[in-house]
Amino acid sequence: DAMVIQNPRYQVTQFGKPVTLSCSQTLNHNVMYWYQQKSSQAPKLLFHYYDKDFNNEADTPDNFQSRRPNTSFCFLDIRSPGLGDAAMYLCATSRDTASGARYEQYFGPGTRLTVT
Amino acid sequence: AQRVTQPEKLLSVFKGAPVELKCNYSYSGSPELFWYVQYSRQRLQLLLRHISRESIKGFTADLNKGETSFHLKKPFAQEEDSAMYYCALLYNFNKFYFGSGTKLNVKP
Repeated sequence: DAMVIQNPRYQVTQFGKPVTLSCSQTLNHNVMYWYQQKSSQAPKLLFHYYDKDFNNEADTPDNFQSRRPNTSFCFLDIRSPGLGDAAMYLCATSRDTASGARYEQYFGPGTRLTVT
Repeated sequence: AQRVTQPEKLLSVFKGAPVELKCNYSYSGSPELFWYVQYSRQRLQLLLRHISRESIKGFTADLNKGETSFHLKKPFAQEEDSAMYYCALLYNFNKFYFGSGTKLNVKP
């Protein structure tokens, strides 16, 4: 019944060791988002895909990359994690506003990343 | 640049009391605003959106463009309303800017 799935739920990586977080969706939504949320802070948009078009936020570090091989899957790659990258990473999906749909984001449960 | 401010990190009220969670925004375009809620151990989910002018679980929110506010209100708080509430602004067609959230604690 889950619509946006994130794996793993908890990820521990070492300082500087590349890590990939995964998100999949069963909603067939064309927009997928990655957010970073640190403790007691707002979810911060890192980037999003509109279909296959990648949209990076200006202040997203180069260390963060994303891939969307198909409609259902989206990956967040952190090339060289630092201690400051420890956070909850949220994936979300939506239909685009141009479709005229009532706009809503569906969130996954998040992946909590720990950097040791 | 767009911005969403939620001035209260924590709001505690007693069951049955009115509740108002404040949200102020800054955006040069035409704003679309939302309230998202996260209950304990659950994922973030949409509570309501201003364009629908709806009441969900007894909550309402009115967009006040003059005061650039979108406060969330409920006349009688229930214990099950205890959660984290985020105000969010839709900008540039598909992007969201979230406020830092207010934790609502409804005491019995």
